Amino acid sequence: QTVVTQEPSFSVSPGGTVTLTCGLTSASVSTSSYASWYQQTPGQAPRTLIYNTNTRSSGVPDRFSGSILGNKAALTITGAQADDDADYYCVLYMSSGIWVFGGGTRLTVL
Amino acid sequence: EVQLVESGGGLVKPGGSLRVSCAASGLTFKNAWMAWVRQAPGKGLEWIGRIRSETDDGKADYAAPLKGRFTILRDDSKNTLYLQMNSLKTEDTAVYYCTTGLKRGEYFDSLFYWGQGTLVTVSS
Repeated sequence: QTVVTQEPSFSVSPGGTVTLTCGLTSASVSTSSYASWYQQTPGQAPRTLIYNTNTRSSGVPDRFSGSILGNKAALTITGAQADDDADYYCVLYMSSGIWVFGGGTRLTVL
Repeated sequence: EVQLVESGGGLVKPGGSLRVSCAASGLTFKNAWMAWVRQAPGKGLEWIGRIRSETDDGKADYAAPLKGRFTILRDDSKNTLYLQMNSLKTEDTAVYYCTTGLKRGEYFDSLFYWGQGTLVTVSS
């Protein structure tokens, strides 16, 4: 069974830069994984930040960027702000035709 | 503006069944691939499955652990998506989200737009 891995938690100082990653236990992530990234705050539905690896959704600040780093998908926040304090999820497309979410990263900005 | 509004959540006993619905607007529903995602209390997101448009064969794919108990259905005449859940277990307690998206080149991104979710509680 394929598992999508994310760091359980991360901490960043206001104004700092942080990179969250999204990997696979048994393969490399590529652009064909069509990675998307979501931000979720308590009580809210997820908000799409990045789709198709590196395309920012409309209205998403340009401090958020997506990429492939090595064998993982990555979400980089450059110049973190207090309201970036949230849970972040990635999802990857599998060759079997299904999508699998990572377990999420709790990002603390302090 | 795409809007997805889920309904039909509630309390159901273990072993019971429930059908939740998702009313979609602001898109050409018959061309959309639609999906369901759930989130148990305090836990992460879990992809349940996705149904393709009728023009793309109308079939659904499911996460392996849920296949056989959950069925995704669509009624294009009503712009409505359904999730039929049978043999419910306490661990199925979650907020159920309806999602959809856009065709992006060689794939259909069915996880771009999200509804607000409907809570299903499985408890005796």
